[in-house]
Amino acid sequence: NAGVTQTPKFQVLKTGQSMTLQCAQDMNHEYMSWYRQDPGMGLRLIHYSVGAGITDQGEVPNGYNVSRSTTEDFPLRLLSAAPSQTSVYFCASSYGEVAGGLKLFFGSGTQLSVL
Amino acid sequence: AQSVAQPEDQVNVAEGNPLTVKCTYSVSGNPYLFWYVQYPNRGLQFLLKYITGDNLVKGSYGFEAEFNKSQTSFHLKKPSALVSDSALYFCAVQVFSGGYNKLIFGAGTRLAVHP
Repeated sequence: NAGVTQTPKFQVLKTGQSMTLQCAQDMNHEYMSWYRQDPGMGLRLIHYSVGAGITDQGEVPNGYNVSRSTTEDFPLRLLSAAPSQTSVYFCASSYGEVAGGLKLFFGSGTQLSVL
Repeated sequence: AQSVAQPEDQVNVAEGNPLTVKCTYSVSGNPYLFWYVQYPNRGLQFLLKYITGDNLVKGSYGFEAEFNKSQTSFHLKKPSALVSDSALYFCAVQVFSGGYNKLIFGAGTRLAVHP
């Protein structure tokens, strides 16, 4: 059972380059989200989706774009990379049962460096 | 603003001693609260959650957490620490904003258990 799969695991970009971080889940979860993890700041929500075709902004959406065309996939696009986007990125999904709370399943992360 | 705070950057405890990792929250209404653990170079894993009911909730790996509404706290506890418990621990609160539910994380507390 693969769970949440993120690719790539590591990436180095130059300022101004664009790229897409991939996230796929095989648990048929409706809810998917992207977080970035920075030292001393914990995890901050970038974007999230409650189902195919539905996305919304989190705490730190600037410089990132998302779309959700299928239940399984939720890619994160960096439009023009900046050094401030150097971080570890986590994708997470949940069955989204509000009554039981959002129990998130996380991928293993993508470590991104922008030079 | 709805938020969660972890006042300690690091907690040090000797193996076999009880441990407490602190968390306080600020949300309107009845909170949904969570604890997650992150081992080195891994994504976050769910430990336990409080939705309603008994103020003491039990989770994975022998951890438990106590919900205290009057003190707006949700401290993580374990009666006897193991070296293998050394990791980064995150408290999170579920909030309803913009028409959807999302998890807001604290900055994290590093737990170091010494032999």
